[in-house]
Amino acid sequence: GESVGLHLPTLSVQEGDNSIINCAYSNSASDYFIWYKQESGKGPQFIIDIRSNMDKRQGQRVTVLLNKTVKHLSLQIAATQPGDSAVYFCAENMDTGRRALTFGSGTRLQVQP
Amino acid sequence: GAVVSQHPSRVICKSGTSVKIECRSLDFQATTMFWYRQFPKKSLMLMATSNEGSKATYEQGVEKDKFLINHASLTLSTLTVTSAHPEDSSFYICSATPRDREYEQYFGPGTRLTVT
Repeated sequence: GESVGLHLPTLSVQEGDNSIINCAYSNSASDYFIWYKQESGKGPQFIIDIRSNMDKRQGQRVTVLLNKTVKHLSLQIAATQPGDSAVYFCAENMDTGRRALTFGSGTRLQVQP
Repeated sequence: GAVVSQHPSRVICKSGTSVKIECRSLDFQATTMFWYRQFPKKSLMLMATSNEGSKATYEQGVEKDKFLINHASLTLSTLTVTSAHPEDSSFYICSATPRDREYEQYFGPGTRLTVT
């Protein structure tokens, strides 16, 4: 399944399916992007990052795609598991001097067993 | 590696009192620490950027006299909410950037503040 991250939408997928979470970022000058996973009552957990000189990066079961032309970032999770259920945020580094991150609004992923 | 802790994890205080939240990088030295605030079902909003030994840089709309930040060492930053009011109730999260990996940012577990 796919989602566009505005106002904390929810993406529901079946266990074992692939998930695609989308994010539109705001600044064409941003040079670094990160996906974070946040479980209820906890801090964000780093998943995967990508620099602006790349368009794809793969990790374990996760892939991040960057389309600078349309300022779009996506996170693909392969073989989604119940433990993947959480809120996912994309973040961009707009201020290269301070390395401060600007977070997107988030997408809730619900994995149905 | 790259573990960040926060203390306390939860705190309840009365209106008018002050509360201090600690953020520590446990296994690395942090060039910069950041403080975020998160309302329920909302995203993280950056409050301020803190560098060791210098004054914090606050985001627009964040009162520096209300939210005092001290970055005393390369492993510790504190956020003090002064004269707390119920509207200050929120989830406060810190993050830290390793000295040798300035692109990366690791988050603490957060502190739930409730002001009664």
